[in-house]
Amino acid sequence: NAGVTQTPKFQVLKTGQSMTLQCAQDMNHNSMYWYRQDPGMGLRLIYYSASEGTTDKGEVPNGYNVSRLNKREFSLRLESAAPSQTSVYFCASIIRQGRYEQYFGPGTRLTVT
Amino acid sequence: AQSVTQLDSQVPVFEEAPVELRCNYSSSVSVYLFWYVQYPNQGLQLLLKYLSGSTLVKGINGFEAEFNKSQTSFHLRKPSVHISDTAEYFCAVAERTSYDKVIFGPGTSLSVIP
Repeated sequence: NAGVTQTPKFQVLKTGQSMTLQCAQDMNHNSMYWYRQDPGMGLRLIYYSASEGTTDKGEVPNGYNVSRLNKREFSLRLESAAPSQTSVYFCASIIRQGRYEQYFGPGTRLTVT
Repeated sequence: AQSVTQLDSQVPVFEEAPVELRCNYSSSVSVYLFWYVQYPNQGLQLLLKYLSGSTLVKGINGFEAEFNKSQTSFHLRKPSVHISDTAEYFCAVAERTSYDKVIFGPGTSLSVIP
C-alpha cells in the first residue's frame, strides 16, 4: 500500500502559468480532499470529493479547479497561477467505515514568482 | 458551516511540565473531532479522534482530549511533555450531517524548552 501519493513534490511557476497537481490513493477510499497550508493559517480546504463523480467547494476554492478522474485519483488545477497561491498543498483521503481516519499525502511545495 | 478556533498560536512549556492546547468549534449539529500533529518538515499524523461514546479520548504519545459539548471544546492535554513533542498541533472538525467536509483550525505551535 502506497497510501496517498502526490506529484510533484516541488514546483516553481511564473505568474500566469498553469499546472495540475496529481493525487492518488490505493486504499479504496470514497472521499478525497485538497488543502493548502500557509503559516499561521493552518490547513484550509480548497475542494473535496465525497465520491467518484462529485466535487464540492471548500473554504478557499477561488483560482482552482478539480477533477475526480476515478475513485483513485483527484487532481487540482491552477489555470493562471498567482503569487498568492504560493503554498504547500496536501491531498488527503478518508475511510469512514467504523474508523473515520483521514490519510494525508506528503505535500507539494509550490512557489509562484 | 463549521469552524474551528485555536486561541493559542504558540505555547512554550518546560520539559516534563503539563500542557493543554485549546480547541473550540462552532457547529449547529453534532460533530466528529480530531487532533493532528505535524513535526517540522513532515506531513500530518492523527493523534486522536472523538466519534462517539466516552468524552475522554486517549491517543498516541500520551496525549488525551476531552469533548465538552456544552462548551463546544475539545482541548488536548499531556501530563508531562518531552522535547520530542515540539511540533505544530491542529484541531479539526467534521459535521455528522456532512461528514465529508473536514475543517482545520489555524494550529498551535508547541515548543518544549529543555
